Amino acid sequence: GQNIDQPTEMTATEGAIVQINCTYQTSGFNGLFWYQQHAGEAPTFLSYNVLDGLEEKGRFSSFLSRSKGYSYLLLKELQMKDSASYLCAVRRSWGKLQFGAGTQVVVTP
Amino acid sequence: GAVVSQHPSWVICKSGTSVKIECRSLDFQATTMFWYRQFPKQSLMLMATSNEGSKATYEQGVEKDKFLINHASLTLSTLTVTSAHPEDSSFYICSARPSGIIETQYFGPGTRLLVL
Repeated sequence: GQNIDQPTEMTATEGAIVQINCTYQTSGFNGLFWYQQHAGEAPTFLSYNVLDGLEEKGRFSSFLSRSKGYSYLLLKELQMKDSASYLCAVRRSWGKLQFGAGTQVVVTP
Repeated sequence: GAVVSQHPSWVICKSGTSVKIECRSLDFQATTMFWYRQFPKQSLMLMATSNEGSKATYEQGVEKDKFLINHASLTLSTLTVTSAHPEDSSFYICSARPSGIIETQYFGPGTRLLVL
């Protein structure tokens, strides 16, 4: 089947760290994206992994293990503005993106 | 940076009418654009791939006669929802892929459609 699974919701306090896991089973894999989407807005690009390992970009890091079909997005030093939905997406053939259902992150004071 | 615009940003229409949504890449050329639909609290679902100068390719389950796509230039793709019905109410988002770069897509701000 074609599945991309991520938790529905996660809650964390300001200043904390949150890790959002994503597992995938897709036919065709050409990289994995993480996007942030605030309610009513279009997704904004956070990270792209095509090789195994950790990519760090400021407060956000993303990890990929192709053999395990697994990725995670790590958000450090959480801020209130980080409250949003985080979408895991697999790039398949011809540049098509298949999205997971998204993880709603709620940051509390 | 790469900017993609959509017009209109929101539209309300009566059932049975047709609605056209434009997607423009403002500062780059895009041979390929993608159209997505997102229902409340759900993820983005790819509807079709729009290729400049050729017919769009539709995902399984998407009616090509209902969702007409035209990609007449390297900076513009249009999606027309024909004979819209209330169940077509959704958030429609396009993305554009810069010509020659396959790893990157830039998303437009989305168009919210409400069919009464």
